[in-house]
Amino acid sequence: GAVVSQHPSWVICKSGTSVKIECRSLDFQATTMFWYRQFPKQSLMLMATSNEGSKATYEQGVEKDKFLINHASLTLSTLTVTSAHPEDSSFYICSARAPAGGTTEAFFGQGTRLTVV
Amino acid sequence: QKEVEQNSGPLSVPEGAIASLNCTYSDRGSQSFFWYRQYSGKSPELIMSIYSNGDKEDGRFTAQLNKASQYVSLLIRDSQPSDSATYLCAVNRPQGAQKLVFGQGTRLTINP
Repeated sequence: GAVVSQHPSWVICKSGTSVKIECRSLDFQATTMFWYRQFPKQSLMLMATSNEGSKATYEQGVEKDKFLINHASLTLSTLTVTSAHPEDSSFYICSARAPAGGTTEAFFGQGTRLTVV
Repeated sequence: QKEVEQNSGPLSVPEGAIASLNCTYSDRGSQSFFWYRQYSGKSPELIMSIYSNGDKEDGRFTAQLNKASQYVSLLIRDSQPSDSATYLCAVNRPQGAQKLVFGQGTRLTINP
């Protein structure tokens, strides 16, 4: 399948600081990428849709000023968690759609485990 | 009603048996359905996709879709301990960017 690379795989930061997570599609171009968050023993919750060259669209209840998304190229989207707090500690996962016979399938990055202390 | 519902389990199956995982969805307009496997601490891995009614087989895995009943299932034959994981059902929202919506996942344990 298509390869999506996410970096870093884990990060620990102090409360109040910002953290940037990168998501790259390595062997295909992705005009749309998605950012998810997963708390322990819960499912993936879609946070936002990242659109190349335009503003991201956020799901209801997700603060766009806190979770900044930039999709500057067809292979890179970034999520910046600003002024992080302990409750932002979670597993953040990106995905990108790769066309397959006219119907797209989503492939996921390795995920980033964020711990805010 | 949740968009995608799964039995959270845990589901325990003896090694070599068939594991059956079920999922229902609420939006009749959905056209694309996926099963992902997620090991603890890892990101989801695509196992199967299915787009039309009926069965789709890939190795030990069979996905079944019934759009009239808004039901999709995954069968794992000859279950192995390495199949122990959480299985996530995902459905495309039919509008806009075709976002994937996930069920809560079913935790499957294969007992040797």
